[in-house]
Amino acid sequence: DVKVTQSSRYLVKRTGEKVFLECVQDMDHENMFWYRQDPGLGLRLIYFSYDVKMKEKGDIPEGYSVSREKKERFSLILESASTNQTSMYLCASSLDRVNYGYTFGSGTRLTVV
Amino acid sequence: GQQLNQSPQSMFIQEGEDVSMNCTSSSIFNTWLWYKQDPGEGPVLLIALYKAGELTSNGRLTAQFGITRKDSFLNISASIPSDVGIYFCAGQGRANFGNEKLTFGTGTRLTIIP
Repeated sequence: DVKVTQSSRYLVKRTGEKVFLECVQDMDHENMFWYRQDPGLGLRLIYFSYDVKMKEKGDIPEGYSVSREKKERFSLILESASTNQTSMYLCASSLDRVNYGYTFGSGTRLTVV
Repeated sequence: GQQLNQSPQSMFIQEGEDVSMNCTSSSIFNTWLWYKQDPGEGPVLLIALYKAGELTSNGRLTAQFGITRKDSFLNISASIPSDVGIYFCAGQGRANFGNEKLTFGTGTRLTIIP
């Protein structure tokens, strides 16, 4: 069964820490995405990547960066975690730019204290 | 960034009832998708719609792509306990660079009252 795997289901970090959220897909998908999910706001796109070493800003990139050194792995980095970054983070992948379905990971619930 | 208006935000229904939810946009989309998120999991694709006016079913689920291409509807018939979760609509523009990303709705949380 094809999968998108996020390394942690739950994380608790302190304000100011550098945080890495890891995502790996085993489907040889070209495109990968990071969303955050907050009640009443739905899914908001943080960053995405259409190829290795390529990244594009989404709708809410401030305070985040990403890394895609290998096709299967897309990392989200919180340079200096803040309490307003407490959220559910979802990684997704898709096959190509005209493929309409995303496959999501199970999410990482991050709490910044 | 753009978001889709999805309603209602939440629904409390009894088992066996039918459910309707919808999504509207100020922009035209070429594709509408409906996802369901179970508690503690990521969203899973339920139905994809590719053509204005299209009506597609998946078991007890039926979705429609609005004629104006600015809206979509999802109906669930005879709800059962496993229907509980958050339902998201998503729209996709033309497959041109920058437009192919999905835009998600704010979600409809479905709760079934015992």
